[in-house]
Amino acid sequence: AQSVAQPEDQVNVAEGNPLTVKCTYSVSGNPYLFWYVQYPNRGLQFLLKYITGDNLVKGSYGFEAEFNKSQTSFHLKKPSALVSDSALYFCAVAGNKLTFGGGTRVLVKP
Amino acid sequence: KAGVTQTPRYLIKTRGQQVTLSCSPISGHRSVSWYQQTPGQGLQFLFEYFSETQRNKGNFPGRFSGRQFSNSRSEMNVSTLELGDSALYLCASSLATGVGTYEQYFGPGTRLTVT
Repeated sequence: AQSVAQPEDQVNVAEGNPLTVKCTYSVSGNPYLFWYVQYPNRGLQFLLKYITGDNLVKGSYGFEAEFNKSQTSFHLKKPSALVSDSALYFCAVAGNKLTFGGGTRVLVKP
Repeated sequence: KAGVTQTPRYLIKTRGQQVTLSCSPISGHRSVSWYQQTPGQGLQFLFEYFSETQRNKGNFPGRFSGRQFSNSRSEMNVSTLELGDSALYLCASSLATGVGTYEQYFGPGTRLTVT
C-alpha cells in the first residue's frame, strides 16, 4: 500500500525567508509524486510533479521540490516566501489513485 | 478553457436524506475522480470514472455511489446521510485514466453539511 506523510501540521516563516514543506512517501515501484496547494474555499491547485528524471523539479509560482530516493522524501521549497503563499499544502503519491498526505498549513508573516 | 465546475457549491441536508452532487470536467477530459475532505480524515479518494466506467474505488461504504455520463460529466450520490458525511467533496478531472501520467485538475468543491 502506498502512503504519504507530512510531519508538520504547520510551518511558520517570515516573508522573504526560505520556505520548506516536508514530505516522505512509501510506495512499491517507481514513485509518481505531486504537490498541490489549497487556498481557502478553493479546490486544490497543481504545483508540480516528479515522474522521472532530474531530482530537482521546478513548478508554478516559484516553487520547486527535491526528490531524494534514498530518504524517500519529496520536500517542497521556495527560496523567498510571500505572504500570498499562505495556504494548505498537500503532497501526494500516485499508484492507481492519488494518496494524499495530511496537509501542512503554511503561514507567511509580513 | 473553463475549469472543473461543481454544483451546488453549498448544501445543507438532514440525517437520513440523500444527496446528489454534480461535476463537469474540463472540456476534453474523460476521467473524473471524487474525493472527500474532512478535518479529521484529510483527503480521501472515493472513486474514479473513465469512459462511463468506474475504474477505482476507495474504502467508503456502499451509500456512496457515482456515475459518469457520455459527455464525461459525473455525479456522486450519498444515500442515508450521516453526520459524519459532512465534508468538502472535491471533483478532479484529467485527460485520461492513470493518475501518475495525467495531472488532475480540481474543482472548487461542494461543501455538504448534514444536520
